[in-house]
Amino acid sequence: QLQLQESGSGLVKPSQTLALTCTVSGGSISRGGYSWSWIRQPPGKGLEWVGFIYHSVTSYNPSLNSRVTISEDRSKNQFSLRLNSVTAADTAVYYCARGFIVTLGGVIELEGFDIWGRGTRVTVSS
Amino acid sequence: SSELTQDPAVSVALGQTVKITCQGDSLRTYSVSWYQQKPGQAPVLVVYGKNYRPSGIPDRFSASRSGTTTSLTITGAQAEDEADYYCNSRDSSGNALLFGGGTKLTVL
Repeated sequence: QLQLQESGSGLVKPSQTLALTCTVSGGSISRGGYSWSWIRQPPGKGLEWVGFIYHSVTSYNPSLNSRVTISEDRSKNQFSLRLNSVTAADTAVYYCARGFIVTLGGVIELEGFDIWGRGTRVTVSS
Repeated sequence: SSELTQDPAVSVALGQTVKITCQGDSLRTYSVSWYQQKPGQAPVLVVYGKNYRPSGIPDRFSASRSGTTTSLTITGAQAEDEADYYCNSRDSSGNALLFGGGTKLTVL
């Protein structure tokens, strides 16, 4: 059964870079038809999509676009998040998740996140 | 609009039916998925597309759509259904994903 596990620094200083890794077990990130996303949730607030990597192509939340980078390491079956110039507003639980996309004739028919990691709490504070 | 709007809170009596709605212009075009999140836990996919449920999700969860509004219906709500529910789809450009603000469901 596919499992995702987040890891990385739980405390980041303001203006520095947040770096997290998601390790995938029980399946390969190279398998077609799936994207690999980061989603975050500030304390007491809702979910916010950060971005994904899909067949080595990335897409990011426009509100974070200039600060975020998602990459993959297929040899390690991992994908990673880097968020630059963090502020307190970036404090959140960060989840990695597998996304599925079903297209028909170039049109997205079905889409969603079917497997999630347990999340890792990141605090931005000096 | 590039937003998905949900009512912040909804309540339902035990065993009754409740509908949780999600409104957004992009919903005319793009598929929607729904997630249940209990305190301290990761979200769980409960319904996606026109009305598909992942394995293990009870059939009391269903979805429907009308124009720019999509709804998650729980028929015969159980105490364990008390949770936050989020809708998810694409923005109007189709280039980014987004979540609704979430609905806190209370089962009375």
